[in-house]
Amino acid sequence: AQKITQTQPGMFVQEKEAVTLDCTYDTSDQSYGLFWYKQPSSGEMIFLIYQGSYDEQNATEGRYSLNFQKARKSANLVISASQLGDSAMYFCAMRPYTGGFKTIFGAGTRLFVKA
Amino acid sequence: DSGVTQTPKHLITATGQRVTLRCSPRSGDLSVYWYQQSLDQGLQFLIQYYNGEERAKGNILERFSAQQFPDLHSELNLSSLELGDSALYFCASSVSRGRMADTQYFGPGTRLTVL
Repeated sequence: AQKITQTQPGMFVQEKEAVTLDCTYDTSDQSYGLFWYKQPSSGEMIFLIYQGSYDEQNATEGRYSLNFQKARKSANLVISASQLGDSAMYFCAMRPYTGGFKTIFGAGTRLFVKA
Repeated sequence: DSGVTQTPKHLITATGQRVTLRCSPRSGDLSVYWYQQSLDQGLQFLIQYYNGEERAKGNILERFSAQQFPDLHSELNLSSLELGDSALYFCASSVSRGRMADTQYFGPGTRLTVL
């Protein structure tokens, strides 16, 4: 079964420190895409970063980087230099090649950034 | 602002009623996706349309239907509403029909409350 697991329901981080949000996935596909989205309290879903299963380099987008370990089937999001505005829900998502490209989302991790 | 618009922002209705949620994709995007986000089910993929045609189907109930019009806007129709249909409904759009790397950009959502 295709599945995304985010084991941390909530996390705290001190402002200006780095934080890692965990994501593991389960798929038998060799080809898939991995995404992270941020959902602030206002409710909108904001795309953060993408990693393809065949990408050799870890994706980076500004303060966001994706620690992709294919053999472990993990795609952890690293946020460097946390800011108060980073407080939000973070969702990991996977789009496998088979199954009609349906995107599967994890349950999310709520991040609290402390001043 | 993702460029995806959804109306209305909030909708309150009674059980048994029917409602229509509307979505306009980003300029140039041909695919529209509908998602339901509830506290107990998380973010669930409902259906995808590409250039007017149904492309992929997820956990969409038979009481729900959707369509994409020639101008590419989409509507999600929910009928015989039940209390459990109360949720945040997102529309997302992307450029292509669903490549692995196709990033979906989400609208602000429609919060449906069924009383």
